[in-house]
Amino acid sequence: TQLLEQSPQFLSIQEGENLTVYCNSSSVFSSLQWYRQEPGEGPVLLVTVVTGGEVKKLKRLTFQFGDARKDSSLHITAAQPGDTGLYLCAGAKADSNYQLIWGAGTKLIIKP
Amino acid sequence: NAGVTQTPKFQVLKTGQSMTLQCAQDMNHNSMYWYRQDPGMGLRLIYYSASEGTTDKGEVPNGYNVSRLNKREFSLRLESAAPSQTSVYFCASDWEPRGYTFGSGTRLTVV
Repeated sequence: TQLLEQSPQFLSIQEGENLTVYCNSSSVFSSLQWYRQEPGEGPVLLVTVVTGGEVKKLKRLTFQFGDARKDSSLHITAAQPGDTGLYLCAGAKADSNYQLIWGAGTKLIIKP
Repeated sequence: NAGVTQTPKFQVLKTGQSMTLQCAQDMNHNSMYWYRQDPGMGLRLIYYSASEGTTDKGEVPNGYNVSRLNKREFSLRLESAAPSQTSVYFCASDWEPRGYTFGSGTRLTVV
């Protein structure tokens, strides 16, 4: 059962455009993580958000955790070809610290 | 560089053969994990080890066994490989459930 829905599944845009990726659930999470995965490599952690309403910035990437801790978004400003990759969100439930709930991912392509 | 090291990177097995995937981390993390990643299925947890000496089943444990050899090493064994086990396997470690460090993966094909 897919408990974390990511959208869109695929996004191809031009360099310089802005974009937002969404991660939604009906479950409450104690924390939520975002990863980027490049072809042939393992996912790399970008950020962990733990407080409802929290906003974290990583250069041109802005991450937000929903007030109710059920959803999250990733916004990229002025996308660059180096942002290309598979973006994954994963939520930790309070009653199961060791089993993250994973989204299926958003495949992002930034064209020069 | 500190991180998670997986071996081998690629493997082709015949149906029924066995093999062990090795994983080692040098970050002194307590928790280690084995995932498989398949197109359209996302990452699925096979087994995890919350600490040295303990292992627990994840979402898709059938056909696999694990050993937490010590704090650094966590191996995954396929006793009798099946084509359905063709996948990319990732090992990961974490100090607490706040962010994983993944290895670069093992691409396994079972023919």
